[in-house]
Amino acid sequence: DAGVIQSPRHEVTEMGQEVTLRCKPISGHNSLFWYRQTMMRGLELLIYFNNNVPIDDSGMPEDRFSAKMPNASFSTLKIQPSEPRDSAVYFCASRGQVNTEAFFGQGTRLTVV
Amino acid sequence: GDSVTQMEGPVTLSEEAFLTINCTYTATGYPSLFWYVQYPGEGLQLLLKATKADDKGSNKGFEATYRKETTSFHLEKGSVQVSDSAVYFCARRGLNRDDKIIFGKGTRLHILP
Repeated sequence: DAGVIQSPRHEVTEMGQEVTLRCKPISGHNSLFWYRQTMMRGLELLIYFNNNVPIDDSGMPEDRFSAKMPNASFSTLKIQPSEPRDSAVYFCASRGQVNTEAFFGQGTRLTVV
Repeated sequence: GDSVTQMEGPVTLSEEAFLTINCTYTATGYPSLFWYVQYPGEGLQLLLKATKADDKGSNKGFEATYRKETTSFHLEKGSVQVSDSAVYFCARRGLNRDDKIIFGKGTRLHILP
């Protein structure tokens, strides 16, 4: 199993540009999570999906952030327009119905200049 | 709301020292509890877990016991190695199958040779 796959691994963009982060969960998993990690705030849950449906998006910071899961094997997190304070490592994780724990991808390090 | 609180780091120890990283949680009922580890530049990996009261999770010489009376899940290791240097996260998941996983802020551990 390839695990959770995120792309790109690194992204540098200018303020005001649109950024799209991608995630492929582990095959057969039905829950998907997006987290943001910063030194100041630690690991924050942004949104999670169950069976492709958003269950809790209360952690999404503002309307500039949006997430979609069009099918069971793909999810995107989009920031438009991006701002320097969005700079962080963004992690995607997935979980199967028989698992209690989540499995993490390698993360996308986003730098907005 | 439900939360996880763990001791702040960084924690610096000499090789072969005894390690304890404290973690307490608040939650309704008896959530599943986890310790994750994050090595530099990588995503989070599950280190160990416990799904019910009095369970002991163990892996790679690390242990943690689910204590419902003190709502704690402290991580211990009898003799740490330089390779254990990483950030450790305590986490909990609620009882509902759709419930999210919430993380503590993480504890950075440095082991000196």
